[in-house]
Amino acid sequence: GAVVSQHPSRVICKSGTSVKIECRSLDFQATTMFWYRQFPKKSLMLMATSNEGSKATYEQGVEKDKFLINHASLTLSTLTVTSAHPEDSSFYICSARTSDSSYNEQFFGPGTRLTVL
Amino acid sequence: AQKITQTQPGMFVQEKEAVTLDCTYDTSDQSYGLFWYKQPSSGEMIFLIYQGSYDEQNATEGRYSLNFQKARKSANLVISASQLGDSAMYFCAMRERERNFNKFYFGSGTKLNVKP
Repeated sequence: GAVVSQHPSRVICKSGTSVKIECRSLDFQATTMFWYRQFPKKSLMLMATSNEGSKATYEQGVEKDKFLINHASLTLSTLTVTSAHPEDSSFYICSARTSDSSYNEQFFGPGTRLTVL
Repeated sequence: AQKITQTQPGMFVQEKEAVTLDCTYDTSDQSYGLFWYKQPSSGEMIFLIYQGSYDEQNATEGRYSLNFQKARKSANLVISASQLGDSAMYFCAMRERERNFNKFYFGSGTKLNVKP
């Protein structure tokens, strides 16, 4: 159990377009989802935390209007990179936590590699 | 100050030997959680082991054990009997509570290479 999927796994887009990445918890209800960004050979940088039905909490330095996060249901969160530019190229990873206290860890999706030309 | 510090950017270990990956953390919370994740070249994050701040015994999961030294704020990962498939990036992470949210902080990672 505790499987998280991300779609798409890879996306290449032109500069100026918007890209939507989906994160789904397949077999559990995710009360909280996290979005991370990872540069090559670097650590994960938390971008935002989203709780179902409420606005996402963004980390300092992350542009809310640039990275739109929607957590409309207990199994789906989306990250939309608006007006993407080459510097937005990165590996984006989502993770999810359940309210079930027997699970301490967050469950990660497989990641989405975004390349902006 | 950094929440999680991993001082070893890269490590080599001979197959079948044990290896310790270092991790120190910084928190003023009494209740927190410590995690280790493995990230192969494919990119997915694989949960390895968890240690709660109130757990008195060191966590173990198969070949993985966590050497938890609370007073020193260290949570080193020990991998016994290394296998070639253990070659990957390893991240130490901490969960603490901030403004009613659980927040996770990751270290910079250690790249482990297992030599045949």
